[in-house]
Amino acid sequence: AQSVTQLGSHVSVSEGALVLLRCNYSSSVPPYLFWYVQYPNQGLQLLLKYTSAATLVKGINGFEAEFKKSETSFHLTKPSAHMSDAAEYFCAVTLGTGGFKTIFGAGTRLFVKA
Amino acid sequence: GAGVSQSPRYKVAKRGQDVALRCDPISGHVSLFWYQQALGQGPEFLTYFQNEAQLDKSGLPSDRFFAERPEGSVSTLKIQRTQQEDSAVYLCASGGLAGINEQFFGPGTRLTVL
Repeated sequence: AQSVTQLGSHVSVSEGALVLLRCNYSSSVPPYLFWYVQYPNQGLQLLLKYTSAATLVKGINGFEAEFKKSETSFHLTKPSAHMSDAAEYFCAVTLGTGGFKTIFGAGTRLFVKA
Repeated sequence: GAGVSQSPRYKVAKRGQDVALRCDPISGHVSLFWYQQALGQGPEFLTYFQNEAQLDKSGLPSDRFFAERPEGSVSTLKIQRTQQEDSAVYLCASGGLAGINEQFFGPGTRLTVL
């Protein structure tokens, strides 16, 4: 069965510091992996996705994530945090090749300090 | 263009009442998902439609929950005899062929059962 684990329900960084949000998954078949962001009072929107092409995926707003099969990880990073990055981030997995059921992690709330 | 819309945005129901939540997906989107998001948690999959066909309803918590998409566009999630544990935000998302493609989320309906 698929599952997603996000380590750390809350992460706090200083403005300009590295952002690292952790995501580990389990899947019996090659997965598709996604990161979504939810700003306060807004719907979820896609940051980036991995669909078995390049293992390093670049997304919007300077975020990127690397798929590491050996570690079953898909951690999200950004070199320099901005105040506007403060939001809730969700990692999600669907089964590849015809799968559609999407499993979301519990989310990580990112705080950015001035 | 117009995104996914949901109505009502907020719903307060007395325990035992029936409620109906509406989702208007992006025009032309084949896939439609319903999720339940409890406070402080990630979205939990409820059900999936491909056009008018409900391909997966394995996430519906009980037989009090029913979803339909009769013409392959607008969808309704109905909850009968609401219970306090049904209180949550109900999210609708639509997209292209599921699995590999991005899901576009609506703002959600916050249901509070008293």
